[in-house]
Amino acid sequence: AQSVSQHNHHVILSEAASLELGCNYSYGGTVNLFWYVQYPGQHLQLLLKYFSGDPLVKGIKGFEAEFIKSKFSFNLRKPSVQWSDTAEYFCAVNINYGGSQGNLIFGKGTKLSVKP
Amino acid sequence: DTGVSQNPRHKITKRGQNVTFRCDPISEHNRLYWYRQTLGQGPEFLTYFQNEAQLEKSRLLSDRFSAERPKGSFSTLEIQRTEQGDSAMYLCASSWDSLNTEAFFGQGTRLTVV
Repeated sequence: AQSVSQHNHHVILSEAASLELGCNYSYGGTVNLFWYVQYPGQHLQLLLKYFSGDPLVKGIKGFEAEFIKSKFSFNLRKPSVQWSDTAEYFCAVNINYGGSQGNLIFGKGTKLSVKP
Repeated sequence: DTGVSQNPRHKITKRGQNVTFRCDPISEHNRLYWYRQTLGQGPEFLTYFQNEAQLEKSRLLSDRFSAERPKGSFSTLEIQRTEQGDSAMYLCASSWDSLNTEAFFGQGTRLTVV
């Protein structure tokens, strides 16, 4: 069965520190990849997505992610975090069935706490 | 607000009671998904609809759970004879039915079974 692994359960950083959150998935075929963010008390929001093309994708609020197919990875990065980035981050994948896609498979999430 | 809307936001029920949640997707989306999220976990897929057809159900969706999407618009998720293990956040999402698209999530219904 397909699965998504997020390596860090809880990351604590000071403002201006750099961020990298790991995400690996298990599926050998074509996938679509996503990072969603959930700010405290709010709904899941899309941060960025990868469907095809340039493996380095840029999202909102200065986030970016790099798809490395050989490593089945889609790590999220931000050069300098802010207190407002405190949230829970979820990596998700769905399988590209060639015409449509199935349901999203989520990782367990990484809680990011940024100290002011 | 033209996003995905879920009602109620919170539901407390006694064990053994039936509960029903409603989801109104973004109007032009023909796919609708239900997920469940428990503490410390990511959302877990329950079921999805394309228009009014329920196309896939997870093994997590026991026979006490039923979902409908009459007329391909809003959807309901009913849990019969609730158990304490059903306590979770129930999330609804919608999307277009195309190759490269993302799902948009509602704020969820938090169910507490006491």
